[in-house]
Amino acid sequence: AAGVIQSPRHLIKEKRETATLKCYPIPRHDTVYWYQQGPGQDPQFLISFYEKMQSDKGSIPDRFSAQQFSDYHSELNMSSLELGDSALYFCASSLGQGFGYTFGSGTRLTVV
Amino acid sequence: LAKTTQPISMDSYEGQEVNITCSHNNIATNDYITWYQQFPSQGPRFIIQGYKTKVTNEVASLFIPADRKSSTLSLPRVSLSDTAVYYCLVAFNQAGTALIFGKGTTLSVSS
Repeated sequence: AAGVIQSPRHLIKEKRETATLKCYPIPRHDTVYWYQQGPGQDPQFLISFYEKMQSDKGSIPDRFSAQQFSDYHSELNMSSLELGDSALYFCASSLGQGFGYTFGSGTRLTVV
Repeated sequence: LAKTTQPISMDSYEGQEVNITCSHNNIATNDYITWYQQFPSQGPRFIIQGYKTKVTNEVASLFIPADRKSSTLSLPRVSLSDTAVYYCLVAFNQAGTALIFGKGTTLSVSS
């Protein structure tokens, strides 16, 4: 069965650079969620989109922005990267009502 | 969102039944209870979800008392591969509602 696809799997950036993470939800899923998980920490919710509109917002820094496109894939844009942004970034998708969250394998971002 | 409290860690041996209890005293009427499993460097994986009483699937059972202020995830006959972090989440089952992860329970299974 198709899963949530995240790209890239690994990314190394320098401080103050920008990064773009991509998420391709399960076909027909219309809701996308982004999470950040630092080393040894629990996943922190960043932002979510339902039917291409922002539906919920968590602890997303102002330096980050995200959107969901017409094909339902989503991109998380991160600017002025800081060392503390080094983390695993997970995307999850679901179909409207009900959870049935499925998480992707994540993108490991390392800021040096 | 209802706050959840779980034990930080639990230890078990292969073949034993493991019960992880989660407290959610301020759960709302429309909230569902969902459990996820996470292995290192992998995305959380859905285990089971319930609203009240008992739910069972091929990997676990979820027990929810009548007052719904707590829930217990039961893993029968654990194996080494069940070593992971387990998260209890409570949220309204509505499109776009984000699941907020609290502190999970690190389960260590030994041989």
